[in-house]
Amino acid sequence: AQSVTQPDIHITVSEGASLELRCNYSYGATPYLFWYVQSPGQGLQLLLKYFSGDTLVQGIKGFEAEFKRSQSSFNLRKPSVHWSDAAEYFCAVGAAGTASKLTFGTGTRLQVTL
Amino acid sequence: SAVISQKPSRDICQRGTSLTIQCQVDSQVTMMFWYRQQPGQSLTLIATANQGSEATYESGFVIDKFPISRPNLTFSTLTVSNMSPEDSSIYLCSCTGAGGKTGELFFGEGSRLTVL
Repeated sequence: AQSVTQPDIHITVSEGASLELRCNYSYGATPYLFWYVQSPGQGLQLLLKYFSGDTLVQGIKGFEAEFKRSQSSFNLRKPSVHWSDAAEYFCAVGAAGTASKLTFGTGTRLQVTL
Repeated sequence: SAVISQKPSRDICQRGTSLTIQCQVDSQVTMMFWYRQQPGQSLTLIATANQGSEATYESGFVIDKFPISRPNLTFSTLTVSNMSPEDSSIYLCSCTGAGGKTGELFFGEGSRLTVL
């Protein structure tokens, strides 16, 4: 069975600082990996996804993530955080063939200080 | 892309009652799903809503408690039956895009239920 671990429940960064949110997955084959963001009172929005190919993927809002098979990781990064990035971030994994059925991590809540 | 509208956005319900949540998508989509997000927790898939047939439920979820309908390719309902305080959650409808891109799920804003 597939699973996702987001080790950081809550992270606080200053506006303008860099950000890295960690995600580790467990899956027997090549996974499909996703990052979603949930702003307060909102549904989830897809930031980026990895299916195959280049292991560094670019997403919306200046986010990127790198797939590292050797570490079973898919960490999310942003070089300079904006106050509007404060939200809950979810990493998710899907299996090829049933990738629309996603398993989500427990989320990381990002707080941005001015 | 797909835009999802859910109703109600929030409700306060009494123990033992049932509530039906509606999910409307602005385009025909292949797959629709219902997720539950309990307070402070992640999303858990309840079921896949199948058009014209019974929903496919995940382990731990049963049709008697969470009956689901999907009469066409743009609409689905989830009923939370005989509610208890443990059912207090956000219920999220999601779907694949109209092009059916693998794994690219779109989500509604959720229905926040509080059961007293």
